[in-house]
Amino acid sequence: IAGITQAPTSQILAAGRRMTLRCTQDMRHNAMYWYRQDLGLGLRLIHYSNTAGTTGKGEVPDGYSVSRANTDDFPLTLASAVPSQTSVYFCATGTSGGVNEQFFGPGTRLTVL
Amino acid sequence: GQNIDQPTEMTATEGAIVQINCTYQTSGFNGLFWYQQHAGEAPTFLSYNVLDGLEEKGRFSSFLSRSKGYSYLLLKELQMKDSASYLCAVRDSNYQLIWGAGTKLIIKP
Repeated sequence: IAGITQAPTSQILAAGRRMTLRCTQDMRHNAMYWYRQDLGLGLRLIHYSNTAGTTGKGEVPDGYSVSRANTDDFPLTLASAVPSQTSVYFCATGTSGGVNEQFFGPGTRLTVL
Repeated sequence: GQNIDQPTEMTATEGAIVQINCTYQTSGFNGLFWYQQHAGEAPTFLSYNVLDGLEEKGRFSSFLSRSKGYSYLLLKELQMKDSASYLCAVRDSNYQLIWGAGTKLIIKP
């Protein structure tokens, strides 16, 4: 693994189905984030985790859940997908000190029909 | 509410200089970031400003005025590979990033 990986790369999903987007890092960063990116809008934070075992809600958490069982993995689950969740989803990690810039995974393009 | 404003699209000529502006209104300020995002790819970090003034990094420079809620990204000696979207983000009082919608920069030969 090099950096941050996300799976799947893309997915078409029927409305009402459950879906888990996977994110794994090997950078040993404490903080992890899930964003969605929609045309004409800035990245919007869904959920975050400052360290393993803790999670928090971002700007648009409804319909999504996360878990952080260990440092490396931060899956995002859509319990019952709706068309408005069609988006590109980015996982990101962040360091604890210094500039604390965020590093992004390659993204998952999700279409809910 | 929190708001980050940047132009939607800009066009510039290869070899020229372009300035991309960003204005912000946020609850608290703990630094401003610029990211580059090529089409279909992930954002990548370009620069960070937390104090007023200019930060220079090669062909790219970023300026911050906290009193005016204003930043700009300056790109010199433009190359075709600089065609991308440039995202401005502010870290707020909760240490979360608030993102602008991005400025799509088109470089013409």
